[in-house]
Amino acid sequence: SYVLTQPPSVSVAPGQTARITCGGNNIGSKSVHWYQQKPGQAPAPVVYDDSDRPSGIPERFSGSNSGNTATLIISRVEAGDEADYYCQVWDSSSDHPRVFGGGTKLTVL
Amino acid sequence: QVELQESGPGLVKPSETLSLTCSVSGGSVSRNSYYWSWIRQPPGKGLEWIGYIYYSGTTNYNPSLKSRVSISIDTSQNQFSLKLRSVTAADTAVYYCARESWLVRTIAFDMWGQGTMVTVSS
Repeated sequence: SYVLTQPPSVSVAPGQTARITCGGNNIGSKSVHWYQQKPGQAPAPVVYDDSDRPSGIPERFSGSNSGNTATLIISRVEAGDEADYYCQVWDSSSDHPRVFGGGTKLTVL
Repeated sequence: QVELQESGPGLVKPSETLSLTCSVSGGSVSRNSYYWSWIRQPPGKGLEWIGYIYYSGTTNYNPSLKSRVSISIDTSQNQFSLKLRSVTAADTAVYYCARESWLVRTIAFDMWGQGTMVTVSS
């Protein structure tokens, strides 16, 4: 099945830009979704289809996807952005059609 | 506003069957726009997709769990359910039910239940 690889952790100072990567074979040909999970809470979507934001998500959250890497970009990071972030793809041609990355812990210094 | 709520035993004995139900309010599981999924998260670990069911009853399961999993839907009760057979300690996790909706190009999880912790232990 398709494998998505994320760094275990990313650290950034408040006000700076955080970039969380998600690697996969030719992932640029797929649509990538990103979910934010705060401690004790269920995951919630922050980016759909590589770069679209669900209703209510700040413009600070954006994404890109090309080649073998998709990236979640969080601009002007705030303390409240500290969370685990998961990428996910819909691999329609696979017998394992919903795949999550291993998750990245974003720490705001 | 659609809400999903998981329910079921928090403790299951090894080799027995884990059974959970997801009750959906504020929307219908019978709509053909959605897929209804189960996802789990072992303590301190990442998310694992278990499987989905469509309103028609069509299912698709994670190959690693396929031999032990079944998901069913009850449109009259507006809920769907998970059964996982022959559980071991490795099945200890928070179990989430979630809705998938069609977007412009693909499908994504847009609504999640709060999750329920299930521990497998004698």
